[in-house]
Amino acid sequence: GAGVSQSPSNKVTEKGKDVELRCDPISGHTALYWYRQRLGQGLEFLIYFQGNSAPDKSGLPSDRFSAERTGESVSTLTIQRTQQEDSAVYLCASSLRRRGGYTFGSGTRLTVV
Amino acid sequence: DQQVKQNSPSLSVQEGRISILNCDYTNSMFDYFLWYKKYPAEGPTFLISISSIKDKNEDGRFTVFLNKSAKHLSLHIVPSQPGDSAVYFCAASDTGNQFYFGTGTSLTVIP
Repeated sequence: GAGVSQSPSNKVTEKGKDVELRCDPISGHTALYWYRQRLGQGLEFLIYFQGNSAPDKSGLPSDRFSAERTGESVSTLTIQRTQQEDSAVYLCASSLRRRGGYTFGSGTRLTVV
Repeated sequence: DQQVKQNSPSLSVQEGRISILNCDYTNSMFDYFLWYKKYPAEGPTFLISISSIKDKNEDGRFTVFLNKSAKHLSLHIVPSQPGDSAVYFCAASDTGNQFYFGTGTSLTVIP
């Protein structure tokens, strides 16, 4: 597709359940980021993928969070045993290179009730 | 600790006038800066970037100024248009992978 696609666009889940968020980057983009934005806050870095290199996971807030990406394809962000503080918009972005103008998806709005 | 700060949560400007959005940072190792625009229910859209070797970068109606000694950058939009009404985020990066984002400034351009 022409842009970064994220699914689902909205997700409401019960506390304690696992969720999986999906990101389809722009074809050929080797760099991929996950960020999240909690209400009233800025974008918070979660994880960075660059090609087949080991991902930079330094932003993941706890071991309940994990992400995968195979090569330059789809990425999934998994949150286990969700908590209310996980409620946020989760944004994925991709780029041809690390220091490029990243293209963001529209995000997944996660609400943990 | 917020390394990139946008201290004005909102700004209103008359159509045709200049909009100036400000951003301050604390990390002197930051050497690459970007501005993004975000409409409701959409992801941020890249606007313009600047490297620390420059103090100005211009693209059409958008100009970014960088003052390294003051650790300050600004985005100028001139002339402002109603379609520019959005939330604007600045972001900064050092040699690492992470971009640090500010909390955003909501710009309203009044027709």
